[in-house]
Amino acid sequence: AQKVTQAQTEISVVEKEDVTLDCVYETRDTTYYLFWYKQPPSGELVFLIRRNSFDEQNEISGRYSWNFQKSTSSFNFTITASQVVDSAVYFCALSEGGNTGKLIFGQGTTLQVKP
Amino acid sequence: DVKVTQSSRYLVKRTGEKVFLECVQDMDHENMFWYRQDPGLGLRLIYFSYDVKMKEKGDIPEGYSVSREKKERFSLILESASTNQTSMYLCASSQQGVNTEAFFGQGTRLTVV
Repeated sequence: AQKVTQAQTEISVVEKEDVTLDCVYETRDTTYYLFWYKQPPSGELVFLIRRNSFDEQNEISGRYSWNFQKSTSSFNFTITASQVVDSAVYFCALSEGGNTGKLIFGQGTTLQVKP
Repeated sequence: DVKVTQSSRYLVKRTGEKVFLECVQDMDHENMFWYRQDPGLGLRLIYFSYDVKMKEKGDIPEGYSVSREKKERFSLILESASTNQTSMYLCASSQQGVNTEAFFGQGTRLTVV
């Protein structure tokens, strides 16, 4: 069965600290996609990144970076020099097999960045 | 700017009422989804639709139905609302394909009393 696990329910850091959000997934598909979404207090999920199963290169976008390791079925997300505006719920998601576009979400990690 | 719009941000309904949650997207997407978000459970798929009048059950369809008469609109129906359906409901849309990201509405927080 396909599954996404975000073991960290809540994380609290002080501004400028680095923080890593963990994501572990299970799938039998050989081709799949992984996603990260951010849900700020306004409620709307915002797409952050998509990564396919054949591309294990790490990705960096400003203060955000993602580490995809197929060997450990993990797709972790690091925020460098965190800011108060990073406070949100972050979701990791896995594409279900086939062409449906359905996503399987983890439980979410609530990040609080204190000034 | 792409947009998924849900008709209400907050709703309060009584037990037993029939409830309609409406969602409209302006991106001409084939796929539309209804998710339910509960603390500690993440997002769980209720129903999705991959074309007009086409629908498939998700992981938790019991107590819900959907309607998609037009490509841009996807409605979630609670046939007889119950208190355990108090939750945040999120609508999303995407293009067809396994690699396409979904775009989400702002959510509807439904309270059934």
